Amino acid sequence: DVKVTQSSRYLVKRTGEKVFLECVQDMDHENMFWYRQDPGLGLRLIYFSYDVKMKEKGDIPEGYSVSREKKERFSLILESASTNQTSMYLCASSLAGGGIGTDTQYFGPGTRLTVL
Amino acid sequence: AQSVTQPDIHITVSEGASLELRCNYSYGATPYLFWYVQSPGQGLQLLLKYFSGDTLVQGIKGFEAEFKRSQSSFNLRKPSVHWSDAAEYFCAVGAISNFGNEKLTFGTGTRLTIIP
Repeated sequence: DVKVTQSSRYLVKRTGEKVFLECVQDMDHENMFWYRQDPGLGLRLIYFSYDVKMKEKGDIPEGYSVSREKKERFSLILESASTNQTSMYLCASSLAGGGIGTDTQYFGPGTRLTVL
Repeated sequence: AQSVTQPDIHITVSEGASLELRCNYSYGATPYLFWYVQSPGQGLQLLLKYFSGDTLVQGIKGFEAEFKRSQSSFNLRKPSVHWSDAAEYFCAVGAISNFGNEKLTFGTGTRLTIIP
C-alpha cells in the first residue's frame, strides 16, 4: 500500500512565524502535491512537483513556497504565516505516466494548521 | 478550464437506504473523472475512476458511478449504505493537456450523514 505521511496532524503557530509542513511518500512516486482544504471551497492546489528540485505553481501559490530535495519528501513553507492561512493542508503523491490530471493521487492524513 | 459542481452540500440517509451523490463537470473533451472519500480525520481515498470504456464504473466499498456525457454528470451510487459510509465525498475532474496546464480539479464536496 502507498503510504503518505505528514509530519504533524495539528499545528498552532503565531502570525509572522515561518512554518514548515513536511510530507513523505514511500512508493517512489514522481509527482507530489500540496493542497489546501477549506469548508465550502473543496481542495485547492497550492504547488506540485514532478521531479526532484522541480516545482510548478498551482491555483493559490501566494504566500507559500515548496522544496523538494529528495524524491520522497516534499515540503510546504509558509514564509510569514498569516491568519488567513489557517486551514487543513493535504499532501498527495502519484506515479508519473498519464499525467498529473489523470493519475490516481494518494493522500496523507492532513495537517490542521491554526495561525493565531 | 475544467470545473466540477457538487450541488448537494450535505445529505442525510438512513442506514440501509440507497444513495446517490451528484456531480456535474465542465470540460471540452472527454474528462478523467474520480470520486474520492474522506473519512473523519483522514486523508482522501480513491473510490473509483473513469477514463473510457464502460460508462458504469465499479469501485471499492460497494460504490458505483455512471458517466453520462449528454448530462455532463458522473453521479455516485450505492444500493444500501452502512454507518461506516458517513464521510465527505469529493468528485474530481482531470485532463491531459500541455504539461504544466493539466491538473485535477475537485468539487466542493458532499457531506454524508447516516442515521440509524
